[in-house]
This record gives sequence, structure tokens and C-alpha cells, in this order.
Amino acid sequence: SQTIHQWPATLVQPVGSPLSLECTVEGTSNPNLYWYRQAAGRGLQLLFYSVGIGQISSEVPQNLSASRPQDRQFILSSKKLLLSDSGFYLCAWSVPSEAKNIQYFGAGTRLSVL
Amino acid sequence: AQKVTQAQTEISVVEKEDVTLDCVYETRDTTYYLFWYKQPPSGELVFLIRRNSFDEQNEISGRYSWNFQKSTSSFNFTITASQVVDSAVYFCALSEPYNNNDMRFGAGTRLTVKP
Repeated sequence: SQTIHQWPATLVQPVGSPLSLECTVEGTSNPNLYWYRQAAGRGLQLLFYSVGIGQISSEVPQNLSASRPQDRQFILSSKKLLLSDSGFYLCAWSVPSEAKNIQYFGAGTRLSVL
Repeated sequence: AQKVTQAQTEISVVEKEDVTLDCVYETRDTTYYLFWYKQPPSGELVFLIRRNSFDEQNEISGRYSWNFQKSTSSFNFTITASQVVDSAVYFCALSEPYNNNDMRFGAGTRLTVKP
């Protein structure tokens, strides 16, 4: 069966520090991968998605970036965090060849920028 | 443009009450998919149901039921005999079938079930 892992679960970082959040998927090949951000009490905002290794699409201009160095690995990064980067970050995957479009989510990373 | 509206920000009920979470959507596509996800306090989004636009048959799964009405562009979710474990944020979402990189989520409804 397929599983998705995200880490760390929580992170407290000072303003201006770098960020690296990792997401890996097991049990499937060539998944579509997604990074979402959920601000406190808000809905989900799609940040990046990837349909293959090295293929990243950005939905929202910001100081965050994403990379997909391996088929089932998706990394969210920042060189210098801002206070506004605080939030709950969720990684998700879906089967690209399936028209069902179900996205399956990881447990999330709660990021606090102080 | 696709849009999902969950007008109810927060709902509070007492255990065993029935509760309906509203979802209204906008799309110009004739083919689309609708979803409900549950986000418990732990944070992970749990997939509950997917519905395609050609299937208006209502669905029941245990205490959960979904009412899809194309005429009113609504896809409402009812929990019968609510339980404390149902407390969570519930999200409705909409996507196009061959562009699953564009799943639009509503803002979510926080349901609190009190004992």
C-alpha cells in the first residue's frame, strides 16, 4: 500500500533562517506531488506541484522553493524565512494516470517562524 | 473559474445531534469531481468521498451521507448521530478530471461535537 511521510512534524525557526521540509512517498511510482500551506484557521493554498523529477510548477510567488530530486521525494525550501511563512505545511500525492484525482495527504509540518 | 464556498466557519453541536455541512461550488466545466476531506486535530487530511459530476446519486456510508444537487451546485455532507470523534475541520474540494493539479478547496468548516 502507498504511504506518505513528512518531517519534521513541528519546527520553530527564527526569521531569516533557512528551511527544508521533506516529503517522501512509498508504494507508488511517478506520483504527482504537491505542497500546500494552511494558515491558522484558513483553507489550503497550493504552493507547488510536480509531475516528475525536476519538474516544478509554482502557484504562488513567494520566498519558498520546491525541488524533486528523486521520483518519490519532494522538498520545500527557503533561504530566508519570513514571519508570514508560519503555518501548517502539507504534502500530498496523487496517481497521475487516474482520472479520479484523489489527493492523499501527509501528516503535515507545523512551522512557527519567530 | 473554479470556486468552492463553505459558508459555515464553525458549527457546534451536542453529541447525537445530526449536523449538515454545506458546500457550494462554481465551475464552467461539465465534467468535474467533488471531494470531502476531514482534518482531525492531528492535522492530516483524510479523504472521505469523491463524486463525479455525472453521478447525482446520494451516498450513505454509516453515519455519513452526501447530497449532491447539480441544480443548486451543492454537495452537502450530513453526519447523523454525531460523536465527539467527529470533531474536526471538514473541507470540500473541486477539481477537473484531467487537471488534478488544480484542486480547489473551500475554507473549511470546524465542527465541534460536545459530549
